[in-house]
Amino acid sequence: AQTVTQSQPEMSVQEAETVTLSCTYDTSESDYYLFWYKQPPSRQMILVIRQEAYKQQNATENRFSVNFQKAAKSFSLKISDSQLGDAAMYFCAYRSAYTFGNEKLTFGTGTRLTIIP
Amino acid sequence: ETGVTQTPRHLVMGMTNKKSLKCEQHLGHNAMYWYKQSAKKPLELMFVYSLEERVENNSVPSRFSPECPNSSHLFLHLHTLQPEDSALYLCASSPQRGQGDYGYTFGSGTRLTVV
Repeated sequence: AQTVTQSQPEMSVQEAETVTLSCTYDTSESDYYLFWYKQPPSRQMILVIRQEAYKQQNATENRFSVNFQKAAKSFSLKISDSQLGDAAMYFCAYRSAYTFGNEKLTFGTGTRLTIIP
Repeated sequence: ETGVTQTPRHLVMGMTNKKSLKCEQHLGHNAMYWYKQSAKKPLELMFVYSLEERVENNSVPSRFSPECPNSSHLFLHLHTLQPEDSALYLCASSPQRGQGDYGYTFGSGTRLTVV
């Protein structure tokens, strides 16, 4: 079974600075997807960014980028120019590429990010 | 509005009550999920429905009973719950493989408190 580990329960960053959230995972599969989700106080989980394991290029979405190290099974999220609206719980998630009709996600325990004005 | 709507937003129930959580999506997705979110624990997958058939049931106690009458609606029926069942219950949906983006769309959850 796959597991996802987020070793930082809480992080804080000054507004406009850069912060990196860590995520490691364990799998024996060679093809899979990795995601970062954001959960603000509204409780709705919002997809921030995703990475396909067979792609070597790191995904980027505006101020959000990832550092995907497949051999090390590491998938960190970098948030540049942090904004107050980035304050939320961030969850790393894994999904196998081999299931069909059941796109089950395995989540980490989350990192609570605080933005300091 | 995300496309996945969960009701009620909050629910307080006694251990002998029977209640139901509702989830609705009109995104054309064919898979729907129930997750349980407790403090300081990873989200726990409870049930998966694909094309209205249950494809996964992760050893969830029988006091939780899912129902998927069609591809747009998912229910979680609750009865004789325990205080440790208090949590945020999240519903999500996703397209099946080959239908484009593989991401989930989540609802805003139902905060359940069992007293």
